[in-house]
Amino acid sequence: NAGVTQTPKFRILKIGQSMTLQCTQDMNHNYMYWYRQDPGMGLKLIYYSVGAGITDKGEVPNGYNVSRSTTEDFPLRLELAAPSQTSVYFCASSYSTSGKTDTQYFGPGTRLTVL
Amino acid sequence: QKEVEQNSGPLSVPEGAIASLNCTYSDRGSQSFFWYRQYSGKSPELIMFIYSNGDKEDGRFTAQLNKASQYVSLLIRDSQPSDSATYLCAVRPDSGGYQKVTFGTGTKLQVIP
Repeated sequence: NAGVTQTPKFRILKIGQSMTLQCTQDMNHNYMYWYRQDPGMGLKLIYYSVGAGITDKGEVPNGYNVSRSTTEDFPLRLELAAPSQTSVYFCASSYSTSGKTDTQYFGPGTRLTVL
Repeated sequence: QKEVEQNSGPLSVPEGAIASLNCTYSDRGSQSFFWYRQYSGKSPELIMFIYSNGDKEDGRFTAQLNKASQYVSLLIRDSQPSDSATYLCAVRPDSGGYQKVTFGTGTKLQVIP
């Protein structure tokens, strides 16, 4: 199992450009998440998905969009990049049944800089 | 707003000592509690979870939960330089279905050789 994979690892964008961050998991997890982590800060939830075709907003969704057409993939789209979106982006997945031990498995992250 | 509070540190302990990391949370309905370790430049990885009051031990790690006082702690015995990392506390409000997990900002631990 590769676990959760993310591409690209690094990216520099110019203000106003758009891009898609890719996330794939091979653990057949139903839940998937996108977080951003600013320096010295905790993880902020951007969007999450409880299954294919179902997505919802987290704490900081503005400027982002997601889709979940398959169980495995959960891409994050940045439209009109702004310097405030400079951050490290983590994708995560979990398999939730009764939920108490809802362990999230994280991808290696994408370091994005917007200039 | 549901909050999870951690002292940002750094917490410095000598090698072989016990490191004690603390976390408080505001939502009394919280049910599940997680400790993640994050090395610099890496992604978080789960160390332990706990959902019952009391202690839970796993090797050199012990998680302690006190729901009445709304705190959860992580003890690391015989601290090693390889334990130097940021430790994130995460709290989940309830079991069943999707419930948003809230992460604290993390405590940076430095183990001095």
